[in-house]
Amino acid sequence: NAGVTQTPKFQVLKTGQSMTLQCAQDMNHEYMSWYRQDPGMGLRLIHYSVGAGITDQGEVPNGYNVSRSTTEDFPLRLLSAAPSQTSVYFCASSYASGEETQYFGPGTRLLVL
Amino acid sequence: GNSVTQMEGPVTLSEEAFLTINCTYTATGYPSLFWYVQYPGEGLQLLLKATKADDKGSNKGFEATYRKETTSFHLEKGSVQVSDSAVYFCALAQGGSEKLVFGKGTKLTVNP
Repeated sequence: NAGVTQTPKFQVLKTGQSMTLQCAQDMNHEYMSWYRQDPGMGLRLIHYSVGAGITDQGEVPNGYNVSRSTTEDFPLRLLSAAPSQTSVYFCASSYASGEETQYFGPGTRLLVL
Repeated sequence: GNSVTQMEGPVTLSEEAFLTINCTYTATGYPSLFWYVQYPGEGLQLLLKATKADDKGSNKGFEATYRKETTSFHLEKGSVQVSDSAVYFCALAQGGSEKLVFGKGTKLTVNP
């Protein structure tokens, strides 16, 4: 199993550009989520999904869109990047059985100029 | 709302020293509690967890006990190694939910 994979590892964007951060898992997990990690802030939940076709907002959803067309993939879209979105982004997945262990991807470091 | 407060770092210790990283939480009901570890340049890995009061989670020599009366889940290790240098995050998940609420993280550096 590859676990949770994320691409790209690192990206530089200009303000106003759009991009999609990819996340995939091969563990047949129902639950997937996106977090951003900022210095001194810990990790904050952006969006999450409890299964294909179902998504919901987390703590900091503004400026981000998600969709879940398959169990395996959960892409995060930035429609118009802003410098405040400079961060490290982590995708995570788990079985949706309640407080199950979450598995994290290696992260995508995003710099918005 | 739910929240997690953990001691601010950075924490610097010598090899074989005793480690405590404090973590307290605010939540309604009875959350599950977790410690995650992030090694340099990597994603987070679950270190240990406890799902009910008085449970003790343990892994790799680390321990933490779920204390409902003090709403705490302090991380301890009796003798740290250089390889334990990492950022440690305390987190909770509310009953029946996978959504994690994280503390801000504590960076630990262990010197030989």
